[in-house]
Amino acid sequence: EAGVAQSPRYKIIEKRQSVAFWCNPISGHATLYWYQQILGQGPKLLIQFQNNGVVDDSQLPKDRFSAERLKGVDSTLKIQPAKLEDSAVYLCASSFVTSYNEQFFGPGTRLTVL
Amino acid sequence: AQKVTQAQTEISVVEKEDVTLDCVYETRDTTYYLFWYKQPPSGELVFLIRRNSFDEQNEISGRYSWNFQKSTSSFNFTITASQVVDSAVYFCALSGFSGGYNKLIFGAGTRLAVHP
Repeated sequence: EAGVAQSPRYKIIEKRQSVAFWCNPISGHATLYWYQQILGQGPKLLIQFQNNGVVDDSQLPKDRFSAERLKGVDSTLKIQPAKLEDSAVYLCASSFVTSYNEQFFGPGTRLTVL
Repeated sequence: AQKVTQAQTEISVVEKEDVTLDCVYETRDTTYYLFWYKQPPSGELVFLIRRNSFDEQNEISGRYSWNFQKSTSSFNFTITASQVVDSAVYFCALSGFSGGYNKLIFGAGTRLAVHP
């Protein structure tokens, strides 16, 4: 069974530039999550999708972050414009239904904002 | 409010030692789930265990064991006879009814280094 795929694995940008991350969840998983993991901290949920609808985006900085999951499968997370404090690993995860199910995580995208 | 505290930032042990990683949680929910995840240097979080709030039985899986105590709001993780491959960051996490079970709240993690 293929795992959660993410790309790119690494990205370095200047502040005020834009960046996009892509995630392809495990086949059949209706729920997709984006997490931000700052160095030395645990992952923090940014947004959760159930199929192509948003379930929770309460911690997404909506002035600069956006995410979509148009066909209920893969998803993109965008930052525009990036700030220095956005430097982090962005993790995508998927699960069958909700958080009490096991979430499967991708390898993450490490973003460095200079 | 829901919160997970992992007070141990880093632990260093020598191979074959037993080690316990502490996790203390806060929630007002009576129904909730607790998790442990492992994050090796590759970065991918690996699921280890899920426990619901109504099941306080301890669990053992090979060298791993978990001690869930509602009275002290703790869900501790013990590795017996540690190995170098156990070196990783370990996260405890909580998902509660009040959040619709939609949100995993993670602790800050404990970095375990097992030396040969």
